[in-house]
Amino acid sequence: NAGVTQTPKFRVLKTGQSMTLLCAQDMNHEYMYWYRQDPGMGLRLIHYSVGEGTTAKGEVPDGYNVSRLKKQNFLLGLESAAPSQTSVYFCASSNRGGVRVNIQYFGAGTRLSVL
Amino acid sequence: SQQGEEDPQALSIQEGENATMNCSYKTSINNLQWYRQNSGRGLVHLILIRSNEREKHSGRLRVTLDTSKKSSSLLITASRAADTASYFCATLPGVYGGSQGNLIFGKGTKLSVKP
Repeated sequence: NAGVTQTPKFRVLKTGQSMTLLCAQDMNHEYMYWYRQDPGMGLRLIHYSVGEGTTAKGEVPDGYNVSRLKKQNFLLGLESAAPSQTSVYFCASSNRGGVRVNIQYFGAGTRLSVL
Repeated sequence: SQQGEEDPQALSIQEGENATMNCSYKTSINNLQWYRQNSGRGLVHLILIRSNEREKHSGRLRVTLDTSKKSSSLLITASRAADTASYFCATLPGVYGGSQGNLIFGKGTKLSVKP
């Protein structure tokens, strides 16, 4: 049981390049999330999905796109990377439960540097 | 925007001592959760306390919640070097029995436990 798996673990991009971060979960969770973590900023929600085929914007969505074609996968895309997108990206999933508790399970993160 | 704010930002103690971290938040909540993040890893859920609860225990962890003051504390008793990590509070906006929106994470407390 792998939980939440993120690929790649590290990536260096040049400004203007594009890339896709992949998140896969094997817990049959309905909800999936993409966060970025910057020093002194905590975690900020980029986009999230409440089910297959649905996505929504979070707190900092600009410059990112997402897709949830399959329930177990949530992709985060950067169409034209900028140095401000240098960060550590975390994917999480949750199954909110009967009283919507929303305990989240996190991947190990992707460290992205944009030069 | 950040809802939870942890205090202190950093805490250094000796092994065997107790560690107390505080979290303040701004709006009504369905529940409050604490997560741990070891260096270079993803977040791991520790404990959840619902808005109608005042105290919760799990092993060496004790969490209190004061909804009138919009604050929570996490106490780790008899700390160990392995407890060295960052600790984040996360709030789920809403009220008991119903939630609105997604988890909002604070900026974290960095705990260092010296052998």
